[in-house]
Order: sequence, then structure tokens, then C-alpha cells
Amino acid sequence: EVQVLESGGGLVQPGGSLRLSCAASGFTFRSYAMTWVRQAPGKGLEWVSTIGGSDGKTYYAASVKGRFTISRDNSKNTVYLQMNSLRGEDTALYYCAKDGPGGSCDYWGQGTLVTVSS
Amino acid sequence: SYDLTQPPSVSVSPGQTATITCSGNDLGYKYVCWYQQKPGQSPVLVIYQDTNRPSGIPERFSGSKSGNTATLIITGTQAMDEADYYCQVWDGSTGVFGGGTKLTVL
Repeated sequence: EVQVLESGGGLVQPGGSLRLSCAASGFTFRSYAMTWVRQAPGKGLEWVSTIGGSDGKTYYAASVKGRFTISRDNSKNTVYLQMNSLRGEDTALYYCAKDGPGGSCDYWGQGTLVTVSS
Repeated sequence: SYDLTQPPSVSVSPGQTATITCSGNDLGYKYVCWYQQKPGQSPVLVIYQDTNRPSGIPERFSGSKSGNTATLIITGTQAMDEADYYCQVWDGSTGVFGGGTKLTVL
């Protein structure tokens, strides 16, 4: 059974940093890209970042490029999202998802809440 | 940046067919997927690669695409289908979600 579990969210002041983790199981982790998607309170889904499986190539939304860094540790079946220079507009529920066919996300975690506020 | 346009809301009577559209430039050259999200829950993939249904998704969910518009079709809509629906594509180097459509079954 595929499982995806996010952790690391919390309250952080503007300008601060936070690192999210996403532990995955039930599939050959290194073979699949992984994606972070966020959802601000009462708003829609926003793609944040993707990291390739075999090549580890990284992709970022314009809104986070230069501030967020995605990485993965295939030995731990875990993907990370290092978030620096956080802003109020980064406040959201952050989901981690396994990539599926055609660029879809076929398995999602329950999300971890990040609140940026003083 | 690439944009996907969805209607904010769609209403349908139980048992009828609901259609939710998603439009974008050159959509015909991209794979479209659809997600269902119920309040307080994580999104669930219901259609991938334009027309394919993941295992476990009811047959009443289907997808189509023509030109620059993709459509999610729910045949024989049930009360449990009331949710937000999002389309999504991979635009070469970025992922893009539509703004979402709230489906009301009444």
C-alpha cells in the first residue's frame, strides 16, 4: 500500500525558515518523481515544486524559486522542502504527492500546516 | 505563465450528468488530469492522461478533451460527488492547476 506522510510544519515568523519532510512507502521510491503542492486557507491548489526520481532534477514555481529547495534521500525514502525567507503568503497546508502517469499526482499525503506570522 | 481556466461553480441534480471544463492554450498538446477534493480531505486523482481512470474510481467519472478544452464528466451524479474539482497539467517545467470548480449536487 502506497503511503505518503508529511511532517515539519508549524508556526514561523516572517523571514524565518522551516524544513518539511515527506516519508514515502509502498513503492520503489527512487523511480518516481515527488511533488509538493500547497493550499492556502480557503483557496485552491498551487503547485510548488517537483523533484525527479532517477535524475533528481528539480523544478519550482516562480513564487518560491530562490527561497525554497526540494531534495530527496532515496536511502530514507524521504523528500524534503527547505523553505527560507518565509512570507505571510506562504501560509498554507503543504501536501506531498507521488508522481503518476502523465505528470499527475496519484497518491497524496494528509498535509502539514505552515503558518507564517509574527 | 501558463493558465488553466475552470468555472467557479457547477450545479447538477442527483442522477444527472455534470460537466466541468478546463481550458488553456495548447491544451491539446498536454496531458490533463483531474482531482476531487472534499472538505477537510486531501485531493484524490480521478482522471489522468486526459481520459484514464485510476483503479478504485467509479466508472461514472470520465474525461475528454477537444482542442483547448478538457472536460470532466460525471454521469449519474451522486450526492457523494459534491466536492471541489481541479484540473492540472505539466507545462514542460512547471505544474499548473486550474482555479477549481465547486460542484453542488442539489
